[in-house]
Amino acid sequence: QSVLTQPPSVSGAPGQRVTISCTGSSSNIGAGYDVHWYQQLPGTAPKLLIYGNSNRPSGVPDRFSGSKSGTSASLAITGLQAEDEADYYCQSYDSSLSGFGGGVFGGGTKLTVL
Amino acid sequence: QLQLQESGPGLVKPSETLSLTCTVSGGSISSSSYYWGWIRQPPGKGLEWIGSIYYSGSTYYNPSLKSRVTISVDTSKNQFSLKLSSVTAADTAVYYCARLVSLTLLPQGWFDPWGQGTLVTVSS
Repeated sequence: QSVLTQPPSVSGAPGQRVTISCTGSSSNIGAGYDVHWYQQLPGTAPKLLIYGNSNRPSGVPDRFSGSKSGTSASLAITGLQAEDEADYYCQSYDSSLSGFGGGVFGGGTKLTVL
Repeated sequence: QLQLQESGPGLVKPSETLSLTCTVSGGSISSSSYYWGWIRQPPGKGLEWIGSIYYSGSTYYNPSLKSRVTISVDTSKNQFSLKLSSVTAADTAVYYCARLVSLTLLPQGWFDPWGQGTLVTVSS
């Protein structure tokens, strides 16, 4: 059971918009810790997609966007493309784990492009 | 461009100690702006943070693994290492090392970049 809750799967047709939620609690997202998102293509290492709730690293298309409100965060993907089919993970910190260094991940969401 | 590379045995026997090393190239592990972390992913499952270390040696561990984990750093070799003792089949996973980018002095930030990962299987 992950500290951060994500839907196991989402799907959408090419060109559509999908969102992936990441729900936490008052000891992690709700405590003000930033949320970060990663994309993991099949057989590869995770790649940073969004950092600090809504910032895109250079090279990440602006079709990807992140937001945070209260104890939850969301990743939105617009103009869905076949190459977006991957697993997506949110990550934050939890003050109840290991003092100030308790990193936590969501369980991951598999995005299927129909 | 910063790169990280995990190395170590791909097969470990139950009850023994798993040992992995992450070699950092293209940048210094002694940079005050970063921590360094280990994350694992069991086959077909999600990501689990194992622990993080600063170049000074300060460490932070996942409470669920704390009694079995030791992370250390060797700044002269630009490497940091993971030891996980008393392993069982449940410790079979791809182990990743990654740089932890933090905007504060605390190990709270994002992991970027990641190493390619190394599969460690626990089996007799």
